[in-house]
Amino acid sequence: DSGVTQTPKHLITATGQRVTLRCSPRSGDLSVYWYQQSLDQGLQFLIQYYNGEERAKGNILERFSAQQFPDLHSELNLSSLELGDSALYFCASSTSSGNTIYFGEGSWLTVV
Amino acid sequence: AQSVTQLGSHVSVSEGALVLLRCNYSSSVPPYLFWYVQYPNQGLQLLLKYTSAATLVKGINGFEAEFKKSETSFHLTKPSAHMSDAAEYFCAVSENQAGTALIFGKGTTLSVSS
Repeated sequence: DSGVTQTPKHLITATGQRVTLRCSPRSGDLSVYWYQQSLDQGLQFLIQYYNGEERAKGNILERFSAQQFPDLHSELNLSSLELGDSALYFCASSTSSGNTIYFGEGSWLTVV
Repeated sequence: AQSVTQLGSHVSVSEGALVLLRCNYSSSVPPYLFWYVQYPNQGLQLLLKYTSAATLVKGINGFEAEFKKSETSFHLTKPSAHMSDAAEYFCAVSENQAGTALIFGKGTTLSVSS
């Protein structure tokens, strides 16, 4: 158990819909990262937040957005969903020094 | 731009045999390199990382990797495979020691037979 908690574990939704994935980082970790794992694209970095502020941005689509709240949990919002958005979405967290990134078990999103 | 290439999407070994998973990197700056393992239905776990302190890096579960600048490689090895090593392994590169914004390879699935 990495200490990073993601909900829901599985989600099935229809095209065009919007979903929110939630992540609670390890206790004391200020950085939160979101990654997408799909068969087509492999593992891709989406976005990083540090103590509530966006720190780095990767291959995140404009239909996707994220935020980190004062209690440090983070949410990834996916809208206007397409079939190709079906993937495993990982959240990860690290300490302020960022020495090691710890991954959650992921949220499986299936778009039908 | 940084990238990593994992040679071989699937590697099969017998229990007790040497494990060798290949990773080559491309980076215009000194790279920070990582190996992660993903067991079925689990998240990624850090095996080891290279941050320029030593070229031979020892990780968890008996794995190690050697950074070879001349070959732009960071291959993962384990002298003797165990059934529990069956998993997917990812090589990753980052522009910083913290390993933020990791760029992952496509992954190599390791199968171990008895």
